[in-house]
Amino acid sequence: EVQLVESGGGLVQPGGSLRLSCAASGFSFSDHFMDWVRQAPGKGLEWIGRIRNAVNTYHTEYAASVIGRFIISRDDSKNALYLQLNSLKMEDAAVYYCARALEDPAYRGHHVSYYFLDVWGKGTTVTVS
Amino acid sequence: EIVMTQSPATLSVSPGERVTLSCRASQSVGNRIAWYQQKPGQSPRLLIKGASITATGIPAKFSGSGSGTEFTLTISNLQSEDFAIYFCQQYDDWPPVTFGGGTKVEIK
Repeated sequence: EVQLVESGGGLVQPGGSLRLSCAASGFSFSDHFMDWVRQAPGKGLEWIGRIRNAVNTYHTEYAASVIGRFIISRDDSKNALYLQLNSLKMEDAAVYYCARALEDPAYRGHHVSYYFLDVWGKGTTVTVS
Repeated sequence: EIVMTQSPATLSVSPGERVTLSCRASQSVGNRIAWYQQKPGQSPRLLIKGASITATGIPAKFSGSGSGTEFTLTISNLQSEDFAIYFCQQYDDWPPVTFGGGTKVEIK
């Protein structure tokens, strides 16, 4: 069974740091791009960022709201994805989801690839107070 | 950044009815849009990819259509388990990946 399990959430003071983890199982983790998405209480979904795979040099991209504060990394030997949260603000309080970014097969072999989020974890809650 | 706008914000529907949810992109995204369902206390679940392709394990009652900037998700014969929030997402142009604000489908 393809599964993603987040952990590491908790209560942190403004300005503090936290590291979230996402444990992957049931698929070849190292082959895939991985995303982090968050959802503030009662709000919609906000994409945080993406890390590519080794073939793509683990390149990362981020949303403007977290650039310079959040860092995505991965350890393929452990099938693990990480999100380092620094300089936390009240508005960073949310449920944080990791998700697998799956290449749309309709564009395989094209010079550009497109990715949707096909598997999501249950999330881990970050409270900033 | 491509802005995704969903309407309406809330839809009140009786069980057994069919509903159509709308999603508009601020610029063309081709057919590179996905739809997700989120029930209270759960994570989002992929329903539709490529605007109209039902994801694995998703019942045929869910269907998507559209291209360019206008998209719809149709749910037929609404049952209790279908009352949830539905999000559209464009994956044409990133970063950033962007989501619509969601449509809540509630029981009338």
